[in-house]
Amino acid sequence: QVQLQESGPGLVKPSETLSLTCTVSGGSISSYYWSWIRQPPGKGLEWIGYIYYSGSTNYNPSLKSRVTISVDTSKNQFSLKLSSVTAADTAVYYCARGGYDFWSGYYGNWFDPWGQGTLVTVSS
Amino acid sequence: DIQMTQSPSSLSASVGDRVTITCRASQGISNSLAWYQQKPGKAPKLLLYAASRLESGVPSRFSGSGSGTDYTLTISSLQPEDFATYYCQQYYSTPPLTFGGGTKVEIK
Repeated sequence: QVQLQESGPGLVKPSETLSLTCTVSGGSISSYYWSWIRQPPGKGLEWIGYIYYSGSTNYNPSLKSRVTISVDTSKNQFSLKLSSVTAADTAVYYCARGGYDFWSGYYGNWFDPWGQGTLVTVSS
Repeated sequence: DIQMTQSPSSLSASVGDRVTITCRASQGISNSLAWYQQKPGKAPKLLLYAASRLESGVPSRFSGSGSGTDYTLTISSLQPEDFATYYCQQYYSTPPLTFGGGTKVEIK
């Protein structure tokens, strides 16, 4: 059973770069889309972007200028960098795998499973 | 961007009630819709995808329907463990992938 685990600093200073890593265990990072999603305290979900195992990426236009997602297949990990953070970037950050429909053989962009999430606070 | 509007934003219901949550997309999404359940302090959990396909291990009291721009999540008989917040998400068009604002199901 595939499991995902986020890791990284829980506190980042304004204007600095938020860096998180998601480690995938129990399965290969190959053949799926891998996303980052965030949730500000008490609010809804916002998709940040995804990377395909081959390295192609797709970012939310609202964050695109500040986001980089990369993958390290040798370590079964993918990572998020969000630059020039402000208090508005304070959120629980989740990593998640894209879905696979066994009936059609289709790899899609619904999310399952998710990591447990990690709270990142932006504060000086 | 495709906007996803959920209604209601919250509801109160009793154990055993039939509960329906609606998600409306700002344009047609061709059944490319997923539903998630989130409990406090936990990550969302996938319930259904392709509008009506039940994820493995999810109880059959959960069902989904709809087409075009309008979709529905139904819980046929609400159980104590179903009190949570539910989100819809479209994956028809990217970027960006977008979520509804959530529906909180509370105990009456």
